[in-house]
Amino acid sequence: AQSVSQHNHHVILSEAASLELGCNYSYGGTVNLFWYVQYPGQHLQLLLKYFSGDPLVKGIKGFEAEFIKSKFSFNLRKPSVQWSDTAEYFCAVSSLSGTYNYIFGTGTRLKVLA
Amino acid sequence: SQTIHQWPATLVQPVGSPLSLECTVEGTSNPNLYWYRQAAGRGLQLLFYSVGIGQISSEVPQNLSASRPQDRQFILSSKKLLLSDSGFYLCAWGTGGFETQYFGPGTRLLVL
Repeated sequence: AQSVSQHNHHVILSEAASLELGCNYSYGGTVNLFWYVQYPGQHLQLLLKYFSGDPLVKGIKGFEAEFIKSKFSFNLRKPSVQWSDTAEYFCAVSSLSGTYNYIFGTGTRLKVLA
Repeated sequence: SQTIHQWPATLVQPVGSPLSLECTVEGTSNPNLYWYRQAAGRGLQLLFYSVGIGQISSEVPQNLSASRPQDRQFILSSKKLLLSDSGFYLCAWGTGGFETQYFGPGTRLLVL
């Protein structure tokens, strides 16, 4: 069965530190990849997505993610975090063949210290 | 622009009571609709999805059911709530099964 793993459940960083959140999935076929973010008190919303093309995708607020097909990974990065990046981040994968598959990871809670 | 509404925002119900959570979408036609349950440390668990009126697919066996009486209305129900039904319920819509999903504000349910 398809699955998504986020290895970091809680991350605490100081402002200006670099961020990398890991996401790995298990599925051998074609996938769409997503990062969603939930800021405190706000709706879960899309941060960035990869469907095809350049494996390095850029999202809102300076976030980017790189799709490495050989590693089944889609890690999220930001070179310098801000206090306002404090949120919960979810990786998600949808597959384009067979039955419906849209799987979310367990989430990573990021706390940025001012 | 599209918006998605959920109500109520919070709900406290006794064990054994019925449940009805409502989700409506504005600004789009024939959306795919989804119900998720979000639990701390467990991410989002897909409960039901619907690709059209009256078409419901269940992802996990449980005490809950879903209905889609109108194109942009999605209802999550239970005849008798269990303690384990407590959680944060999210409704979402999308234009296709594998595309971006857009989430509502959620309903926090506490079953006592």
